[in-house]
Amino acid sequence: SAVISQKPSRDICQRGTSLTIQCQVDSQVTMMFWYRQQPGQSLTLIATANQGSEATYESGFVIDKFPISRPNLTFSTLTVSNMSPEDSSIYLCSVLPGGLSTDTQYFGPGTRLTVL
Amino acid sequence: AQSVSQHNHHVILSEAASLELGCNYSYGGTVNLFWYVQYPGQHLQLLLKYFSGDPLVKGIKGFEAEFIKSKFSFNLRKPSVQWSDTAEYFCAVLRYNAGNMLTFGGGTRLMVKP
Repeated sequence: SAVISQKPSRDICQRGTSLTIQCQVDSQVTMMFWYRQQPGQSLTLIATANQGSEATYESGFVIDKFPISRPNLTFSTLTVSNMSPEDSSIYLCSVLPGGLSTDTQYFGPGTRLTVL
Repeated sequence: AQSVSQHNHHVILSEAASLELGCNYSYGGTVNLFWYVQYPGQHLQLLLKYFSGDPLVKGIKGFEAEFIKSKFSFNLRKPSVQWSDTAEYFCAVLRYNAGNMLTFGGGTRLMVKP
């Protein structure tokens, strides 16, 4: 299993600013993911972040808007840049410890972002 | 478009009622299937999963799900719900050879009345 923490747990930000969300895992993991859960909706994958390579973004998400870092096997950051109210959402970090499709994917507690 | 569908967005049941939440997916090929639960104010956590073998899988808290390949379905069931089962339930599909990414259904919000 994996225990995931995220900082901050919530924030209220002004339009046009940026916020960096941190994800810390208690063990080394191969694959990390960032998801978004907009109000009343399901989870949507933003990008996959593997250590030592550029993040892979899903359709509709771009690096300029959501830059991601993955400096080591236990940590990642997601930045939400030039925020607008439409970015108000819960952002979740997720890990696939062994990187195998037979693994269970674990989720962090989420960061609740409100953009005014 | 390939997708994961949960047909019931909101379900309200009384305690002791039986529960069945539908989940269908439209991917061909080999998939792994999951049900996740999110209790109010808590993390998303795994309820049960299917990778291979017996298509009837049992999870935590008395939940089970049946994989019916011919119907592309993975419905969640519980014979008798409790008030503590009030939560949001998400079906998710992991496609082989697709970067190990999970695709989630829209979620079903279950309210159990005491």
